[in-house]
Amino acid sequence: QSVLTQPPSVSAAPLQTVTISCSGSGPKIADYSISWYQQIPGTAPKLLIYDNNKRPSGIPDRFSASKSGTSATLAITGLQTGDEADYYCGTWDISLRVGLFGGGTKVTVL
Amino acid sequence: QVQLEQSGAEVRKPGASVKLSCTASGYTFSAYYIHWVRQAPGHGLEWMGIINPSRGDTYYTQKFQDRLTMTRDTSTSTVYMELSNLRSDDTAIFFCARATPVDAARLDSWGQGTLVTVSS
Repeated sequence: QSVLTQPPSVSAAPLQTVTISCSGSGPKIADYSISWYQQIPGTAPKLLIYDNNKRPSGIPDRFSASKSGTSATLAITGLQTGDEADYYCGTWDISLRVGLFGGGTKVTVL
Repeated sequence: QVQLEQSGAEVRKPGASVKLSCTASGYTFSAYYIHWVRQAPGHGLEWMGIINPSRGDTYYTQKFQDRLTMTRDTSTSTVYMELSNLRSDDTAIFFCARATPVDAARLDSWGQGTLVTVSS
């Protein structure tokens, strides 16, 4: 079964940029779309990015994402204290009809 | 506005079952899949399964295959998730989330979560 791997944590100073990687294993990950979610402790996850690089309405353009092959990246520019949260990548394995999440990355604003 | 309202916290003993609900409003219930996602304390998101409210068909991750049942009631726009033979490591917050059939990876609206505590 496919797996999505994220770094456990990343950090940066306010106004700096952080990037979070999401590396997929399995033969077909390259064909699947990746979503990204932000989870502030104690709250439900929130969709940040879908279909690899699209933002839902209301999500600031400080959040951007890309995908190449079996790897995806979320970038947060102009880092703010309110961005401190856990971030998860996710996908849907169409062939197996199962969902997958990465292990999550904790973003700390120094 | 789109809303997924989940049932309240539950406490169960090991070996028991729990049935949680997720009531949708603000959109056409049958037009979106509903996922269930588990989050154990201090841990990440774990996908459990999905139900198509229109036809009722379900897909579960292999880990929960023999303990998990998802159903729906179209008359009340409610999806149910029942987990049986509970163990202490099933203690977690359970979220429901909707996704469009066009992109099942796009979980664009989430319930507030339901805490299930399994303890003797």
